[in-house]
Amino acid sequence: EIVLTQSPGTLSLSPGERATLSCRASQSVSSDYLAWYQQNPGQTPRLLIYGASSRATGIPDRFSGSGSGTDFTLTISRLEPEDFAIYYCQQYGSSLTFGPGTKVDIK
Amino acid sequence: EVQVVESGGGLVKPGGSLRLSCAASGFTFSNYAMNWVRQAPGKGLEWVSSISSGAYHIYYAESVKGRFTISRDNAKDSLWLQMDSLRAEDTAVYYCARGSGSYGKYYFDYWGQGTLVTVSS
Repeated sequence: EIVLTQSPGTLSLSPGERATLSCRASQSVSSDYLAWYQQNPGQTPRLLIYGASSRATGIPDRFSGSGSGTDFTLTISRLEPEDFAIYYCQQYGSSLTFGPGTKVDIK
Repeated sequence: EVQVVESGGGLVKPGGSLRLSCAASGFTFSNYAMNWVRQAPGKGLEWVSSISSGAYHIYYAESVKGRFTISRDNAKDSLWLQMDSLRAEDTAVYYCARGSGSYGKYYFDYWGQGTLVTVSS
């Protein structure tokens, strides 16, 4: 099973700042089958990125994904108030597993 | 508008059974894999089970294999999760999610609001 590790556990930033979230896999993720989700408190998860770098429908272009192999990054170029949430990565190249999440909170 | 709506959650004793349902609308149900993902209180997301569009391929997490059964009826745009031999650690919000991809390699592009399953005596 591919284990995903996300860092940092918590990221404290101010609105307007840039956020960089990391997702590292215990083995190479085939074909860059890596997705990112956002979950606001009490809400359902929302797909942001799939295929490591493709934005899902309706996702603003301040969200971008990059990386390959075992190291992936989600970048939020300028944080909006609604972006303070928990972010999960998920690999779907070998079975399906999620990372533990990174919480982005207001500094 | 794509919608998936779960139902059937509730309180059940350890060792008991529960059947979750998911009603889909706003898309051609028979063209998509469907999935169950759960989230224990205050915890992260855990994939539970997937079923391909034509129900030919079914996948389970090791933690539920042999206890849970996923099924679907494309004529009714419906998905189910039969949960038997429930344990305290199965307590979670269970989400129904549409899958994109193929042959078990799915990401989840639309999610329901979830239904809470509590396993406790």
